[in-house]
Amino acid sequence: AQRVTQPEKLLSVFKGAPVELKCNYSYSGSPELFWYVQYSRQRLQLLLRHISRESIKGFTADLNKGETSFHLKKPFAQEEDSAMYYCALSGADNAGNMLTFGGGTRLMVKP
Amino acid sequence: DAGVIQSPRHEVTEMGQEVTLRCKPISGHDYLFWYRQTMMRGLELLIYFNNNVPIDDSGMPEDRFSAKMPNASFSTLKIQPSEPRDSAVYFCASSLGPGTQYEQYFGPGTRLTVT
Repeated sequence: AQRVTQPEKLLSVFKGAPVELKCNYSYSGSPELFWYVQYSRQRLQLLLRHISRESIKGFTADLNKGETSFHLKKPFAQEEDSAMYYCALSGADNAGNMLTFGGGTRLMVKP
Repeated sequence: DAGVIQSPRHEVTEMGQEVTLRCKPISGHDYLFWYRQTMMRGLELLIYFNNNVPIDDSGMPEDRFSAKMPNASFSTLKIQPSEPRDSAVYFCASSLGPGTQYEQYFGPGTRLTVT
């Protein structure tokens, strides 16, 4: 079974402060991890995936297999980063077709 | 392309009534997914289709829920009879191919309220 946990339902920071959205997973195999984001009145969309090792909108996320974590980080938060963030996992046992999402974290960046 | 299209955007119905949610995937996408989003449980996969065939429906909560995909450009999620605990936002998503190398594109969702 696979599970994704986002311990914080709400994270509030001031503009310019560093932000870290926590994600922990449980999966016995080799997972692929993703971050999805939903801005106000917009569709849920892919932000980044660990396999790409890329930085999107200043966000990065490193897969830590030892800690089974995939935390999303940004050194300086902007007001436009305010959104709902979902961590998601896909495992090889379903051919990678199924995503298991965490409960989501709402990020509020205050001016 | 307008992306994944869902209708209606909002649905309010009374307990016991039948509810049908509709989805039009992006043209050419062979995979279609139905998700449910609630405050308590977050975003859950209900069922997904490949080439109009249901592949995994293990997330469908009860027999009251059913989903069909009669052709490549249309899918429905039906709840009969509906109950207040079915109130949620239902998302449809589609992807071009299998596996995680293909991004899932989400629709705007249908907000269902059952009174």
